Amino acid sequence: DVKVTQSSRYLVKRTGEKVFLECVQDMDHENMFWYRQDPGLGLRLIYFSYDVKMKEKGDIPEGYSVSREKKERFSLILESASTSQTSMYLCASSLKGGTANEQFFGPGTRLTVL
Amino acid sequence: AQSVTQLDSQVPVFEEAPVELRCNYSSSVSVYLFWYVQYPNQGLQLLLKYLSGSTLVESINGFEAEFNKSQTSFHLRKPSVHISDTAEYFCAVSRLNFGNEKLTFGTGTRLTIIP
Repeated sequence: DVKVTQSSRYLVKRTGEKVFLECVQDMDHENMFWYRQDPGLGLRLIYFSYDVKMKEKGDIPEGYSVSREKKERFSLILESASTSQTSMYLCASSLKGGTANEQFFGPGTRLTVL
Repeated sequence: AQSVTQLDSQVPVFEEAPVELRCNYSSSVSVYLFWYVQYPNQGLQLLLKYLSGSTLVESINGFEAEFNKSQTSFHLRKPSVHISDTAEYFCAVSRLNFGNEKLTFGTGTRLTIIP
């Protein structure tokens, strides 16, 4: 069974803290994605990666960075967390050249920044 | 670039009644189309997808969607809903034949089933 896991389901941090969100997939997928989900706005793409050490900006990269040192792991970093970054964060992966770019999602991390 | 519009942010429906969740898209090239479902406190799961061929696609739990190219729509329907269908539903598109392609999502429709 395919699986995407995220390090935490719930996370509470203080303004100004550095925050790491981890995502691991066991499907040997080349592509990995980070989204944030907010009510009424749907899913917005923050960053994505096509390969190890490769990254590209999505639609809302400001205030975020990413790291992909191994194929199975994709980390989202909030260098200095702000209250505006309180949100649900979803990680996804897909197979390069796979069926119609279908993405598989993790359970999400609900981040609250106080 | 592609875009997806889900006009209904919330849809309340009585149990065993039919439902239609609307999705319209915009694209200058041919697309693949998806419906994802998000149950409470979970990630997104693929419900169904249109790639090519028959314009009517079905899921294992009774949902169906019809691709209408002339109206650029991919509406999701179910003839009789159940309490367990309570969830948020997202329509998404991607361009054809690009192995590293992103998905573009709509803003979601929250389906609430009334007993």
